[in-house]
Amino acid sequence: KNEVEQSPQNLTAQEGEFITINCSYSVGISALHWLQQHPGGGIVSLFMLSSGKKKHGRLIATINIQEKHSSLHITASHPRDSAVYICAAEKGLMNAGGTSYGKLTFGQGTILTVHP
Amino acid sequence: DTGVSQNPRHKITKRGQNVTFRCDPISEHNRLYWYRQTLGQGPEFLTYFQNEAQLEKSRLLSDRFSAERPKGSFSTLEIQRTEQGDSAMYLCASSLGTAYNSPLHFGNGTRLTVT
Repeated sequence: KNEVEQSPQNLTAQEGEFITINCSYSVGISALHWLQQHPGGGIVSLFMLSSGKKKHGRLIATINIQEKHSSLHITASHPRDSAVYICAAEKGLMNAGGTSYGKLTFGQGTILTVHP
Repeated sequence: DTGVSQNPRHKITKRGQNVTFRCDPISEHNRLYWYRQTLGQGPEFLTYFQNEAQLEKSRLLSDRFSAERPKGSFSTLEIQRTEQGDSAMYLCASSLGTAYNSPLHFGNGTRLTVT
């Protein structure tokens, strides 16, 4: 079982619909990242959260630490939202030299297609 | 802020050849990560630098892979004796921080095709 699981893997919606993408993780984390990847490879960081809820425009991200679950919601979806959405669990680690750093484990991504 | 820059964007090479990719992070970012992404999958961690020090290297990286960040600024990832299984998108990301929980900034990646 992967440490980070996303669902659904593929999602098709009509313009205007409310969209939810789910992410479950099995490891203890210091933060949960939501990322957007467009065709061609570029990845943009949407949210980084460790508790509660964050909102940016039509995007909302929530996290439930006890249940090890996060959701990304898109309200009033638009064709330009079509992309791959990836969640990544960050674990705070410390190396042998005593330096702290974050290591991300990524989900496999959710391919979202929004039709006009 | 010019963003994270990766070169080249695409590289096609024959099996057995060596290739080198370059990543220029955002100038003040002290942390730099390399990831590999194959089709339909999320990125996989390869290695991590804090300034010029390589602090972690994934077991995914065989001894054919080497990464450097000599002056704590740009980084290079070299693959020697490439194999078809090395074909993937190689992503670089950088962040600013002294611990963790720092937003990551990704480059557009270098897509490697080994024929």
